[in-house]
Amino acid sequence: AQSVTQLGSHVSVSEGALVLLRCNYSSSVPPYLFWYVQYPNQGLQLLLKYTSAATLVKGINGFEAEFKKSETSFHLTKPSAHMSDAAEYFCAVSLGDKIIFGKGTRLHILP
Amino acid sequence: EPEVTQTPSHQVTQMGQEVILRCVPISNHLYFYWYRQILGQKVEFLVSFYNNEISEKSEIFDDQFSVERPDGSNFTLKIRSTKLEDSAMYFCASRDWTGAKNTEAFFGQGTRLTVV
Repeated sequence: AQSVTQLGSHVSVSEGALVLLRCNYSSSVPPYLFWYVQYPNQGLQLLLKYTSAATLVKGINGFEAEFKKSETSFHLTKPSAHMSDAAEYFCAVSLGDKIIFGKGTRLHILP
Repeated sequence: EPEVTQTPSHQVTQMGQEVILRCVPISNHLYFYWYRQILGQKVEFLVSFYNNEISEKSEIFDDQFSVERPDGSNFTLKIRSTKLEDSAMYFCASRDWTGAKNTEAFFGQGTRLTVV
């Protein structure tokens, strides 16, 4: 069965530093992958999704993710963190018609 | 931009009472979902609904839960006899899913259910 694993339940970076949130998937077929963000007391918002058209996917708010089949990874990055990026980030995979979420990574931005 | 709307935003109920959480999915979407997020934990799939019936449900979705699409716009989640452990944020989502391409699910802002 398809699933995703997020490494690190909490990640702290300094403002202006690189953000790297890790996600690995397990799938025997090319997966449909997503990154969602949840700001405090809000719902889930799509950051980006993998469509197989390109391995490097650009999303909103300067985030991007690279699909690496050889590493079964779909890590999320942003070159320069901003205070407003503090949130919970969920990697997710489509399993049939439903979407299954990883456990989430809380991103803390240090001033 | 179309959005999924949920009401109420907060609900407090006594243990053993029935609650109904309401959602209006995006109008041209055919797949509807309920997810649950206990405070500080992961987002858990409860149930998916397509063509006026449940297409899949998780082990969390026991006989105390039911879903319904009573009219052409609303999608509801009913919990018959609430327990303390049902306290969580409940998210409704809808999706324009065909299987042929990767489409995302759109989520509502959630209903925070507190069982006392």
